[in-house]
Amino acid sequence: QKEVEQNSGPLSVPEGAIASLNCTYSDRGSQSFFWYRQYSGKSPELIMSIYSNGDKEDGRFTAQLNKASQYVSLLIRDSQPSDSATYLCAVKKNQGAQKLVFGQGTRLTINP
Amino acid sequence: DGGITQSPKYLFRKEGQNVTLSCEQNLNHDAMYWYRQDPGQGLRLIYYSQIVNDFQKGDIAEGYSVSREKKESFPLTVTSAQKNPTAFYLCASSNRDIISAFFGQGTRLTVV
Repeated sequence: QKEVEQNSGPLSVPEGAIASLNCTYSDRGSQSFFWYRQYSGKSPELIMSIYSNGDKEDGRFTAQLNKASQYVSLLIRDSQPSDSATYLCAVKKNQGAQKLVFGQGTRLTINP
Repeated sequence: DGGITQSPKYLFRKEGQNVTLSCEQNLNHDAMYWYRQDPGQGLRLIYYSQIVNDFQKGDIAEGYSVSREKKESFPLTVTSAQKNPTAFYLCASSNRDIISAFFGQGTRLTVV
């Protein structure tokens, strides 16, 4: 089982709709969770972080965390073509030395 | 401006050569990381360091070496023992508790 799993996609969403991206993780003791956006050929940029159960909203982005189910998601409302990118889920592992573990990423395409 | 600087942006290596990728940060972060990304793949951890003069192997350390002589600098050497080094290399840094982690712009290494 991979430590952090994401559906690699591609996920295709019409412009203006809600895009839903999902991530599961295996380390039940994980405390911190991050979503990064990566445009083709560029480095990842941090868009959301979440540390406690529930929802966290920032503009058109909402991160959702459910530690009991070991599940974290990212919702993008009113999707725009500029949101087309690969979205990477990252989890801070607490066992041993602290480090960030990434999923394989979900490629999202917003269709005008 | 605070940030992480990787150099060079593009690097070409001949078979049997060692090459060193530079990573410098002025964010006063304690922790630094090296990741490798292959086309269409997520990020795999090569090495990470939480304090000066200390570093740990990640998931794919074979064929790579690092040093952490200064807080600001974490260079990565790709040795001739790395049989498939062509990839996009990303350096990141974070505070000790990994409240957030930020990336440099990456180095694209190609074997010729």
